[in-house]
Amino acid sequence: DQQVKQNSPSLSVQEGRISILNCDYTNSMFDYFLWYKKYPAEGPTFLISISSIKDKNEDGRFTVFLNKSAKHLSLHIVPSQPGDSAVYFCAAEGTGNQFYFGTGTSLTVIP
Amino acid sequence: EAGVAQSPRYKIIEKRQSVAFWCNPISGHATLYWYQQILGQGPKLLIQFQNNGVVDDSQLPKDRFSAERLKGVDSTLKIQPAKLEDSAVYLCASSFQPGPGNTIYFGEGSWLTVV
Repeated sequence: DQQVKQNSPSLSVQEGRISILNCDYTNSMFDYFLWYKKYPAEGPTFLISISSIKDKNEDGRFTVFLNKSAKHLSLHIVPSQPGDSAVYFCAAEGTGNQFYFGTGTSLTVIP
Repeated sequence: EAGVAQSPRYKIIEKRQSVAFWCNPISGHATLYWYQQILGQGPKLLIQFQNNGVVDDSQLPKDRFSAERLKGVDSTLKIQPAKLEDSAVYLCASSFQPGPGNTIYFGEGSWLTVV
């Protein structure tokens, strides 16, 4: 039962443009959401998070938006850079510090 | 601050053999997780420890997988006997304390190939 879904397995964007990665979840009890970035042959690294009491959190070029009514969050990267090319995982925290991950979106930023 | 350490980074074994992975979490982190990530999928939780107690091992295939966290710090994950479908990256992660709003930090992973 996939409680966190990333329906786009891949995304290609031109350098300098905006990258938008989407994530949907099914469990309304989730109250904290995270994005991780993963390069090949490395573990996922934490990127940005958002609490359910907010609808937006910004950190430099990265902004996460949360729409609780739609059970949807998105990660915006602007401007996109070639070094942003990686797999991005969306995650949600449930009860008991359990984290549920999506299947990832592979972002390619074209120079 | 040192990150989550894992070893070995890579392991190739034949099916029915055994393998063990080791993890040292970030200092002071009470919660430790083992995830399995199969190529093209997201990380799947195998087991979660709070100090040296098991919080959740509902998705751990207990007929072949075992894990322990003696003394509430380091942890080992063992697979015996291994199957072809166990080929995956085994990710160890840790977080500081219970409660909402935690961030978990991953190690670089242990890559297992079963042939």
